Amino acid sequence: DAGITQSPRHKVTETGTPVTLRCHQTENHRYMYWYRQDPGHGLRLIHYSYGVKDTDKGEVSDGYSVSRSKTEDFLLTLESATSSQTSVYFCAIKTSGTNTGELFFGEGSRLTVL
Amino acid sequence: GDSVTQMEGPVTLSEEAFLTINCTYTATGYPSLFWYVQYPGEGLQLLLKATKADDKGSNKGFEATYRKETTSFHLEKGSVQVSDSAVYFCALSEGSGYSTLTFGKGTMLLVSP
Repeated sequence: DAGITQSPRHKVTETGTPVTLRCHQTENHRYMYWYRQDPGHGLRLIHYSYGVKDTDKGEVSDGYSVSRSKTEDFLLTLESATSSQTSVYFCAIKTSGTNTGELFFGEGSRLTVL
Repeated sequence: GDSVTQMEGPVTLSEEAFLTINCTYTATGYPSLFWYVQYPGEGLQLLLKATKADDKGSNKGFEATYRKETTSFHLEKGSVQVSDSAVYFCALSEGSGYSTLTFGKGTMLLVSP
C-alpha cells in the first residue's frame, strides 16, 4: 500500500462545469503523476510533478491543469469539462529510493461528463 | 518517442491452460520493463519487472524475460486460474528521477472454469 487516496472516487458532472480531482499521499514522495485510462488507449499521462510547485505536461494535457502547493496533494483540474474528458483518472507516485521507474497507483476516480 | 505494443484481447482460456501475452517496445535508451495487472473495479498493481537485458521478472506464477535483441517482454504463466482474469498492461520507463511510464493498450484475460 503506497498510501494514495483519490477523491472523489466517482463524479457525474455537466459539460462546461469545473471539476477538481484530488490525489493525497501520506509518505512525502517527491514524484506524482496523473493518468487517464480509456478503452483502446491504455493509460496516458496528463501531467506530472517533481516537487512542490514543480509540474510539467504529459502527452494529453490539453484541457487540464494541475497544482501542487504541498508535497502530499496533487490536484487535477478540468476548467470546463467536456464529454471527451469522461474517463477514469489515476494518480500515481514514485516511491523514494526507487531508481527503476515503477509507479504505484491509486484506486482511480471515475468521471462522467454529460 | 517510446512506445509499447501488446497483443489485443480479449484472450480467452480455460483454467490450467498456458498463457502468453506478447509485448514489444520501442525506446531510445535502455528502459526498465514492467507488467501491471488491473482486476475489475480496481487500480493498477505492479505484477513484475525487469531492469536489464536477460533479466527475468516473476511473481504469482507469472514470468517475463527482458529480450533486448527482440525488444520484447512477453508475459507467461504455465497454468492460469479463474482468479487471473484481469487486464494486463505492459509498460516501460527510461529511468530514474521524474521518468514516466509508457503503457501499452492493455490485454484483457478471461479464464473460464
